[in-house]
Amino acid sequence: GAVVSQHPSRVICKSGTSVKIECRSLDFQATTMFWYRQFPKQSLMLMATSNEGSKATYEQGVEKDKFLINHASLTLSTLTVTSAHPEDSSFYICSATTGKGETQYFGPGTRLLVL
Amino acid sequence: AQSVTQLGSHVSVSEGALVLLRCNYSSSVPPYLFWYVQYPNQGLQLLLKYTTGATLVKGINGFEAEFKKSETSFHLTKPSAHMSDAAEYFCAVSDQAGTALIFGKGTTLSVSS
Repeated sequence: GAVVSQHPSRVICKSGTSVKIECRSLDFQATTMFWYRQFPKQSLMLMATSNEGSKATYEQGVEKDKFLINHASLTLSTLTVTSAHPEDSSFYICSATTGKGETQYFGPGTRLLVL
Repeated sequence: AQSVTQLGSHVSVSEGALVLLRCNYSSSVPPYLFWYVQYPNQGLQLLLKYTTGATLVKGINGFEAEFKKSETSFHLTKPSAHMSDAAEYFCAVSDQAGTALIFGKGTTLSVSS
C-alpha cells in the first residue's frame, strides 16, 4: 500500500514552454502533498506544500507564478513549470501523507530537462 | 528552526562489514525522524522512522536506528552490508505529523566485494 506515482518520469522541453507534472496517490487519500526539487548530487529542497482544495504554500524563494500547483482532489496534485528555462532543469519529486500523516510516501520523481 | 546534519558525504564499506551512517538533528520540539534510501534516478523509499515510543527502531532490509535524545542523534546501522545496499541515504526530520521534511545532504554508501 501507500504508492505514489508521478507522470511523466522524464520530459525534455524547449525553453519558454510549460510542463505539467502529475503526482497521484494510488491507493490512499492524500490530505497533503509536497513538492521537492533535487539538483544532482544534492539533497531534496521543499518547494511547496499542497492541501486539497486550497492554495499551495510556497517556500521562500520559490516563485508561485512560475511553479503552479493544483491539488484538485485527494489523489492528485499537479506541478506546472511555466515558461521553463534551462535553470529549471532538475529532478522533481512529490510526496504524500496518509492517515496520521507521520510518514511521507514519495513518488519516483520526474526528470526535467529544458533545452 | 530544524536542521539535519549527516556526517560524511561518502561512506565505503566492504561486503559483510558493519554499516554506520551518522545523523544529528536540531529541533525545538520532540522530533519525528526518518531515514530514506534513494537509488539512482528513483524516488525515496522509507527505511524506518521514529515518532514516539521505543528508541531503537527496526526498518526494512536489516537496517535499524536508535534515537538518542541526549546526543540529538539518529544514526543508521546495519550489521552486515550487502552489495545491494549501495545507494544514497537521507536522514530527515519534521516537527509534527503531516508537515514537510527537512533533509540532510545525504550520504552515499558504497559497498565493495
